[in-house]
Amino acid sequence: GAVVSQHPSRVICKSGTSVKIECRSLDFQATTMFWYRQFPKQSLMLMATSNEGSKATYEQGVEKDKFLINHASLTLSTLTVTSAHPEDSSFYICSASRDRNYGYTFGSGTRLTVV
Amino acid sequence: AQKVTQAQTEISVVEKEDVTLDCVYETRDTTYYLFWYKQPPSGELVFLIRRNSFDEQNEISGRYSWNFQKSTSSFNFTITASQVVDSAVYFCALIVMEYGNKLVFGAGTILRVKS
Repeated sequence: GAVVSQHPSRVICKSGTSVKIECRSLDFQATTMFWYRQFPKQSLMLMATSNEGSKATYEQGVEKDKFLINHASLTLSTLTVTSAHPEDSSFYICSASRDRNYGYTFGSGTRLTVV
Repeated sequence: AQKVTQAQTEISVVEKEDVTLDCVYETRDTTYYLFWYKQPPSGELVFLIRRNSFDEQNEISGRYSWNFQKSTSSFNFTITASQVVDSAVYFCALIVMEYGNKLVFGAGTILRVKS
């Protein structure tokens, strides 16, 4: 149980375009989802906390207008990278929490390349 | 402040050697959870273990074992008789209840097991 599906796994887009990444909890309802960014050979940095039915909470330094997060249902959160630039190229990974006692389940990640 | 330190950036061992990955954490809270995750080259984070702050019992799961010592704020991970498939990046992480249930990751330790 506790499977999180993340799509797409890889995406290449042109500078200036927007990219949407989906994170779905397949067999449980996730009241909270988290979005992380990971640069090569670095750790995971929390970008934002997504709560179903309310606005996401962004970490300091993360541009909320650039990284739009929507958590419209208990099983789906989306991250849209707007007006992407090459410096946005990174590995983005989501996680979902059923509640803290179950720990966190991570998606398989999305490797974004902006050309 | 909440912080996780993995001082070992990279470790190389020969197959069948035992290897210990160190993790030191900082928190002023008395209620917290510690985790270890494995990230193979594919990128997906694989959950290995969760331990709460009130349970200091060491745990063994096959070739894996964990040593939790609150006195030294450490949660070390040992792989016995390492195998090439153990090659990955290993992250230690911390959740502090007062910090909004956010996972704080260490920098990660790259483990290379050579045949």
